[in-house]
Amino acid sequence: QITLKESGPTLVKPTQTLTLTCTFSGFSLSTHGVGVGWIRQPPGRALEWLALIYWDDDKRYSPSLKSRLSITKDASKYQVVLTMTDIGPVDTATYYCAHRPIYTHFFDYWGPGTLVTVSS
Amino acid sequence: QSALTQPPSASGSPGQSVTISCTGTSSDVGGYNYVSWYQQHPGKVPKLMIYEVSKRPSGVSDRFSGSKSDNTASLTISGLQTEDEADYYCSSYAGINNFAVFGGGTKLTVL
Repeated sequence: QITLKESGPTLVKPTQTLTLTCTFSGFSLSTHGVGVGWIRQPPGRALEWLALIYWDDDKRYSPSLKSRLSITKDASKYQVVLTMTDIGPVDTATYYCAHRPIYTHFFDYWGPGTLVTVSS
Repeated sequence: QSALTQPPSASGSPGQSVTISCTGTSSDVGGYNYVSWYQQHPGKVPKLMIYEVSKRPSGVSDRFSGSKSDNTASLTISGLQTEDEADYYCSSYAGINNFAVFGGGTKLTVL
């Protein structure tokens, strides 16, 4: 059974760096073709893909946010970490991590999400 | 502004069919057969309903179907039920450096 769960601060001050951790089970990020991605959703708004890390440590970022994002993995700990620099109020959103099945282009299992509010 | 264009709302009566469109470009929807659709009830996590344009994950009702023509993908829900009332988001692969682009979402109301 695949599960994922996001963790991190619920309140962040503007200009700070946000660090979110995705802890997962039921699959290995050492398995060829597997990936874990991050998606966010501002309150009342649409989903936005942020980043994806593959089993081989290849990484992909949203072109519009690439300069502010970093994604890393610790396969042995079953964790993926997303950092976002220079946070602002527009980054207030629910952040989800999700499982990307082997050699596919969609997310089939999602974490429950964590709401991050950016405010001074 | 989302990369893919969806109508903000759609509606139908129980038992009817409704189709939601998702328009992109030749760089995303039109360029790959990697369109997926997600259903999201208020306050809930998105759920995968369709992948690779028209495939259904195990457990998803066959009332949900997907198709694509040129740069526009469509999600059709037949035999509408009250529990289908939700937001629906399309997504498409957009190339090696842009794994996923999403639509702005369509709020489906079952009258």
